[in-house]
Amino acid sequence: AQSVSQHNHHVILSEAASLELGCNYSYGGTVNLFWYVQYPGQHLQLLLKYFSGDPLVKGIKGFEAEFIKSKFSFNLRKPSVQWSDTAEYFCAVRPNAGNMLTFGGGTRLMVKP
Amino acid sequence: DVKVTQSSRYLVKRTGEKVFLECVQDMDHENMFWYRQDPGLGLRLIYFSYDVKMKEKGDIPEGYSVSREKKERFSLILESASTNQTSMYLCASSLRGEGSNQPQHFGDGTRLSIL
Repeated sequence: AQSVSQHNHHVILSEAASLELGCNYSYGGTVNLFWYVQYPGQHLQLLLKYFSGDPLVKGIKGFEAEFIKSKFSFNLRKPSVQWSDTAEYFCAVRPNAGNMLTFGGGTRLMVKP
Repeated sequence: DVKVTQSSRYLVKRTGEKVFLECVQDMDHENMFWYRQDPGLGLRLIYFSYDVKMKEKGDIPEGYSVSREKKERFSLILESASTNQTSMYLCASSLRGEGSNQPQHFGDGTRLSIL
């Protein structure tokens, strides 16, 4: 079975700081990779996804993530965060031949104005 | 736009009660999922359904059952609620397809407290 690790449970940044959230997974086969975001009081929303092709994927709101197959990683980045990015971020993995997602434990990001 | 609706945002029940959590989606999705979300543990899959009357156990099915009598509705049942089932429960749906590039769409969640 696959597993997903998000190394930081809580991250606090000031506005305009750069962001990188780590995500590592364990699975021997081909995977689809996702980042979801949950803003306070809202439902989970898809931020970006990787299925194949260019390992650098761009999502909504200026976020991007890079799939590094050799490191089993899919880190989320944003060059300059805003207060409105305060949310919880979840990395998720799905085997290419499957339907079920496995989520990481989540990272709570707080951006100070 | 996909709409996944969970019947209650907040629910308080007593230990030993039978609890029903309802989820409805309006996009004719084949797949539906129930997760629980706990701090530091992320989302953990309880059950998954890929068609009417079809279900598969997820990572933590103990103490739960599900029902999918109609394509649009997926119910989670706590047979005899216990305090360790106090959690946020999330329903999701997606189109089917191995290797499908369709993401899961989530409801707003039901915060369930068992006293």
